[in-house]
Amino acid sequence: EPEVTQTPSHQVTQMGQEVILRCVPISNHLYFYWYRQILGQKVEFLVSFYNNEISEKSEIFDDQFSVERPDGSNFTLKIRSTKLEDSAMYFCASSDANTDTQYFGPGTRLTVL
Amino acid sequence: GEDVEQSLFLSVREGDSSVINCTYTDSSSTYLYWYKQEPGAGLQLLTYIFSNMDMKQDQRLTVLLNKKDKHLSLRIADTQTGDSAIYFCAEIPDTGRRALTFGSGTRLQVQP
Repeated sequence: EPEVTQTPSHQVTQMGQEVILRCVPISNHLYFYWYRQILGQKVEFLVSFYNNEISEKSEIFDDQFSVERPDGSNFTLKIRSTKLEDSAMYFCASSDANTDTQYFGPGTRLTVL
Repeated sequence: GEDVEQSLFLSVREGDSSVINCTYTDSSSTYLYWYKQEPGAGLQLLTYIFSNMDMKQDQRLTVLLNKKDKHLSLRIADTQTGDSAIYFCAEIPDTGRRALTFGSGTRLQVQP
């Protein structure tokens, strides 16, 4: 069964450093998403991406964040200058054009020191 | 505003039925979902229901939707220890949008 994959599973970084989180969505899906879950809190929507552009973003997704689909398979989330409060689990998801059902990857745990 | 509420914890004995409840505020919700998260793992889609349905059954899972009360429930029949996890209710609040709004999750503990 096709699935969303994410790398790395765990990333530790120093405050102020840039990080790139990587995702490979399900191959025939056209919509891609990033969500985050701060420890003990709700899963929160960050951004959705379709047709090579951002289709929707939340208030959390400020200028420090960017997304990219650099090739036909990868979807990345970049945090330009990480802050302590960026420590969270980051989930990538994808959905096809016909339904809104989103399939999630296993997540990347980001720890900012 | 959009909000999805769930009770935080449920404990049941193995073999019993579990019922996890969720309330949502947006009456225009078109799709409602249940996701399962095991410790240290990602979000596994369990099932979903369209807003024009009252009930959906999928093996041991039964989803009930009461649109009038904006109440969604997930019933797990014959609960097993492997069902121990956090269960998230989620909605897509508006047509034309795709962002999921999640509840805080219900931790299900199954006692052997």
